[in-house]
Amino acid sequence: EVQLVQSAAVLKKPGESLKISCTVSGYRFANYWVGWVRQTPAKGLEWLAIIYPGDSDIKYHPSFQGRVTISADKSISTAYLEWSSLEASDTAMYYCARRGATNGVDRGGFDLWGPGTLVTVSS
Amino acid sequence: DIVLTQSPDSLGVSLGERATIKCKSSQSLLYNANTKNYLAWYQQKPGQPPKLLFYWASTRESGVPDRFSASGSGTDFTLTITNLQAEDVAVYYCKQYYDVPITFGPGTTVDI
Repeated sequence: EVQLVQSAAVLKKPGESLKISCTVSGYRFANYWVGWVRQTPAKGLEWLAIIYPGDSDIKYHPSFQGRVTISADKSISTAYLEWSSLEASDTAMYYCARRGATNGVDRGGFDLWGPGTLVTVSS
Repeated sequence: DIVLTQSPDSLGVSLGERATIKCKSSQSLLYNANTKNYLAWYQQKPGQPPKLLFYWASTRESGVPDRFSASGSGTDFTLTITNLQAEDVAVYYCKQYYDVPITFGPGTTVDI
């Protein structure tokens, strides 16, 4: 079965570090872009970053570059999103999603999504 | 950043009727080199992640019922749901992937 499995919800304090994960199965991890999208009631859906595990090509939203780090480990088909110092404003539901492709041709849409990881940052 | 606006914010539709959602982009999403519009539509139900409905503005994702249709080019796009069913109650988002950062519209809530 093709799926994306995300790490469990987490409660952190401001200033703490965090790394959340997205483990994929059922397809060749290296051949598809994987992105991170967060959702809050106030700001809706926001795209943060995307990585191509095959060659580690990375693109960041300028507003989040420097605040989060995206990475991938091909050996365990897992993508990560990491913070070195969390802020209350990072409280959100974080989704990983696969960018669709057919025969290696990009389709542009995120065709597979993980169930989400709820990150709560509170003192 | 490319800004997407959606209208209306919400709409109530009777079962079996039509729902029409508009998405307007602050700049053209048409890439002339391949004549593709870099716009996608998603459906999100409560407690679930978004689900891809259309990409390249009007290409239906596999498994999406044909009562859903999408059209548009350049800066103006439309998602239409005909013969609305109870399971179509959701929030609908447009998303552009013409340029980084990828951006989403604010969403349109469709209810009965």
